[in-house]
Amino acid sequence: AQSVSQHNHHVILSEAASLELGCNYSYGGTVNLFWYVQYPGQHLQLLLKYFSGDPLVKGIKGFEAEFIKSKFSFNLRKPSVQWSDTAEYFCAVIPRTGNQFYFGTGTSLTVIP
Amino acid sequence: DGGITQSPKYLFRKEGQNVTLSCEQNLNHDAMYWYRQDPGQGLRLIYYSQIVNDFQKGDIAEGYSVSREKKESFPLTVTSAQKNPTAFYLCASSILGQNSPLHFGNGTRLTVT
Repeated sequence: AQSVSQHNHHVILSEAASLELGCNYSYGGTVNLFWYVQYPGQHLQLLLKYFSGDPLVKGIKGFEAEFIKSKFSFNLRKPSVQWSDTAEYFCAVIPRTGNQFYFGTGTSLTVIP
Repeated sequence: DGGITQSPKYLFRKEGQNVTLSCEQNLNHDAMYWYRQDPGQGLRLIYYSQIVNDFQKGDIAEGYSVSREKKESFPLTVTSAQKNPTAFYLCASSILGQNSPLHFGNGTRLTVT
């Protein structure tokens, strides 16, 4: 069965620190990849997505992610976090031949001012 | 504004009672989904529907039922057979196709005592 792993469950950073959240998936075929963010009290919203082409994709609010096919990874990065980035982050995968999204368990990020 | 409306935001029920969660969307999306979000477990798919009058079980469909009589509506019933119903329930929709991201509602927090 397909699975998505987010190894960091809780991350605490000071403002201006750099962020990298890991995401690995287990599926041998071609996939589409997403990162979603859930700010406190708000609904899940799309941060960025990768379908094909340049493996380094840029999303909203200065976030980016790099798809490394050989490592089955899609890690999320931000050079300098802000207090407003405090949220829960979910990685999601959908196989190109399927119609079901698979989500990771989420990473809770707390940014200390 | 287009979006997904879930109601109510909070729901309390006694054990043994069935309860129905509402999900309405005005995005004209064909596909709709129900997820359950538990701490440390991410989002798990309960049911999804890609067309009116048709739906498929997700990974954790036992104890739940759905209907899709209208394109805009995808209500979820949590039956008394669901052994651990207390959770946060998220409804989502998307355009058909793997390149289309999910759009989420604000969720319903169900507490069963």
